[in-house]
Amino acid sequence: ETGVTQTPRHLVMGMTNKKSLKCEQHLGHNAMYWYKQSAKKPLELMFVYNFKEQTENNSVPSRFSPECPNSSHLFLHLHTLQPEDSALYLCASSRTGGRQYFGPGTRLTVT
Amino acid sequence: GQQLNQSPQSMFIQEGEDVSMNCTSSSIFNTWLWYKQDPGEGPVLLIALYKAGELTSNGRLTAQFGITRKDSFLNISASIPSDVGIYFCAGPSSPVEGGSEKLVFGKGTKLTVNP
Repeated sequence: ETGVTQTPRHLVMGMTNKKSLKCEQHLGHNAMYWYKQSAKKPLELMFVYNFKEQTENNSVPSRFSPECPNSSHLFLHLHTLQPEDSALYLCASSRTGGRQYFGPGTRLTVT
Repeated sequence: GQQLNQSPQSMFIQEGEDVSMNCTSSSIFNTWLWYKQDPGEGPVLLIALYKAGELTSNGRLTAQFGITRKDSFLNISASIPSDVGIYFCAGPSSPVEGGSEKLVFGKGTKLTVNP
């Protein structure tokens, strides 16, 4: 499945670093999502964008800053993260009301 | 908020055995989704259920939408090694402005198949 790609696949960063995660979808979808997947916890929805507009912020700390320049690209800018932010970050996309297709995720480790 | 409870948390079975797992909620869902996540990959949708009582198959997988709308079941028949992975149930918790769906997920059932 190469419809939704994410880079990098793995990232190690210190708490004072600034980094960005990238997601790209090649499916012609209009909605894009960021999820956080931590061990032994359900997937947590973080942000939703529909036609480039943010329509959901699920009480995510400001150290996570999303950006959606167009319907095909989604970024998650990271700064001053905490060790507990280490997780798998998944991007997904969908048509309006349609099934969500997930990317492979970025495994983030904050040291 | 809405929560989905999946059981069992993990299963260890022999190749060829049938598998059954379920998902329950304290609130009603109008759609039930079952995803599988392979190691190092994102979840992939296996089956979607839209009507109470609906029984849907996808190859060796069969899922049912409980008549109370508060539960769903996934069965895998004649398991094979590639069935290994984590199986998640999910449902839309509420519509998001613009028509996107806000999904809530269970914690998953981790399946191990011994050859």
